[in-house]
Amino acid sequence: AQTVTQSQPEMSVQEAETVTLSCTYDTSESDYYLFWYKQPPSRQMILVIRQEAYKQQNATENRFSVNFQKAAKSFSLKISDSQLGDAAMYFCACRRNDMRFGAGTRLTVKP
Amino acid sequence: DAGITQSPRYKITETGRQVTLMCHQTWSHSYMFWYRQDLGHGLRLIYYSAAADITDKGEVPDGYVVSRSKTENFPLTLESATRSQTSVYFCASSLTGGNYGYTFGSGTRLTVV
Repeated sequence: AQTVTQSQPEMSVQEAETVTLSCTYDTSESDYYLFWYKQPPSRQMILVIRQEAYKQQNATENRFSVNFQKAAKSFSLKISDSQLGDAAMYFCACRRNDMRFGAGTRLTVKP
Repeated sequence: DAGITQSPRYKITETGRQVTLMCHQTWSHSYMFWYRQDLGHGLRLIYYSAAADITDKGEVPDGYVVSRSKTENFPLTLESATRSQTSVYFCASSLTGGNYGYTFGSGTRLTVV
């Protein structure tokens, strides 16, 4: 089964600046998918971005982009032009059939 | 258009009691999942189901029972609740495996006293 590690329990960023959240994973599968989820205080889990492991091109969704390094099994999330509404827990996840999550990074955005 | 509904949203129960958390989805998704969320652990998979009458253990299945007689329902039962099972429980569904992300329910906060 996959394992996912997020080494930054907490991060903070100034509004309008850029922040990168780190994630590493381990899997023996060749076909898998990677995700970042956001969890605001409402507790709802919101999909931020998705990356297919067979694609070399890094996924981008508006202000959110990833740096996918397959050989290093690294999948970091970059948030550009940070907004107050970006403050949340962020979870990295890896999926084959079921999805395994990291422990999360709490992001604080300072005005 | 609820999509995926969990009930109850909050539950307090006593040690040793049986409690069932409900999960219902309206999209006919084949995959359904149960996770628990604890501080410092993220979301840990309890059980999942790839289709009706097919279930598999996840990372932390001990003390939990699931069933899936209908595609749309995936109840999670704690047969004899313990304090270590105090947690937030999330149900999720997915159209199929692989590249599809999950759709999550709103979670159930369970407290065992």
